Amino acid sequence: EAGVAQSPRYKIIEKRQSVAFWCNPISGHATLYWYQQILGQGPKLLIQFQNNGVVDDSQLPKDRFSAERLKGVDSTLKIQPAKLEDSAVYLCASSLGFGANSPLHFGNGTRLTVT
Amino acid sequence: SQKIEQNSEALNIQEGKTATLTCNYTNYSPAYLQWYRQDPGRGPVFLLLIRENEKEKRKERLKVTFDTTLKQSLFHITASQPADSATYLCYNNNDMRFGAGTRLTVKP
Repeated sequence: EAGVAQSPRYKIIEKRQSVAFWCNPISGHATLYWYQQILGQGPKLLIQFQNNGVVDDSQLPKDRFSAERLKGVDSTLKIQPAKLEDSAVYLCASSLGFGANSPLHFGNGTRLTVT
Repeated sequence: SQKIEQNSEALNIQEGKTATLTCNYTNYSPAYLQWYRQDPGRGPVFLLLIRENEKEKRKERLKVTFDTTLKQSLFHITASQPADSATYLCYNNNDMRFGAGTRLTVKP
């Protein structure tokens, strides 16, 4: 099966600019996650979708971050305006369902550098 | 809230030895713990899952244990190889939190 696709692979922007990341999950996977991974740390959940509904966005900085999952398939994550501390790898993951029997399948991420 | 801690940032071992990585959690016992491997520039890859009522789980050279009394999971790689060098992450299914990861280097 094809894996989780993410683009772009790298992005460099200046602070206060905006940026968007795209994710295409594994076909048939109902649950989609966006994680932020700062260098040397484990991934931190930003938002979880079940189909096209939000399940958990408690750690999403909603004043600058937004995400959507139209039609329950592809998803985009946007940052506007970006800050220096947003420099990180943004990982998208999908799972068949939700819970222990549905391990996460990750894309290779988008590395964002904010200067 | 729940906290997931991995006991060391880096672990260096000699090829052929057993690598043991630790994941500790605070507060309530997670119903499940998952272990992932992450290579540089790549996303994490699922390895093993262990449930609260399971003491041990094995897959080839990998073994995971779960001790609810100590609030700890141990991840073992036996007969380690340089190709096992990577960062290993534990993950709490309940609140979708990852530990910081342990970077394992296996020297030939």
